[in-house]
Amino acid sequence: GAVVSQHPSRVICKSGTSVKIECRSLDFQATTMFWYRQFPKQSLMLMATSNEGSKATYEQGVEKDKFLINHASLTLSTLTVTSAHPEDSSFYICSASYSPQETQYFGPGTRLLVL
Amino acid sequence: KQEVTQIPAALSVPEGENLVLNCSFTDSAIYNLQWFRQDPGKGLTSLLLIQSSQREQTSGRLNASLDKSSGRSTLYIAASQPGDSATYLCAVDTDKLIFGTGTRLQVFP
Repeated sequence: GAVVSQHPSRVICKSGTSVKIECRSLDFQATTMFWYRQFPKQSLMLMATSNEGSKATYEQGVEKDKFLINHASLTLSTLTVTSAHPEDSSFYICSASYSPQETQYFGPGTRLLVL
Repeated sequence: KQEVTQIPAALSVPEGENLVLNCSFTDSAIYNLQWFRQDPGKGLTSLLLIQSSQREQTSGRLNASLDKSSGRSTLYIAASQPGDSATYLCAVDTDKLIFGTGTRLQVFP
């Protein structure tokens, strides 16, 4: 149980385009979903926390207008990187939990390369 | 500000050795500490979770200890195998997960 999927697993796009990444909890209802970013040889950094039906809470230094998060249902959250640039190239990982303080279950990640 | 450090950054050992990976954190006000495994280009697999009131957790060949007062945790891997090769991350839970930079482990036959 507690499986989280992400789609796509890998995406290459041109600079200036927008990219949408989906995070799904397959066998449970996730009240809370988290989005992390991991640059090469660096640790995972929390970007934002989203609760179903409400606006996401962004960490300091993360541009909310650039990284749009939608958590419209208990099984799906999306992260849209708007007007992507090469410096946005990274590994994006989501996690989901039954509630904010519960165990987080991680997705397999999405590797984004912006040319 | 909570900071999590892992030592060593990389480790290469022959199969069969017993290993110790270290994790230190600067603020002892944590709910719990988790050890994860990350394979190249993949997500995270939770290995062990130690609540702040606990001292250690064991799962198979893995044993994790926690000394909250000194801000340290160790992950002990017994009789290492090539399949253990991965990056090991520790993370402390302080209303959000704060990760260390990981230890890249390679176990060669």
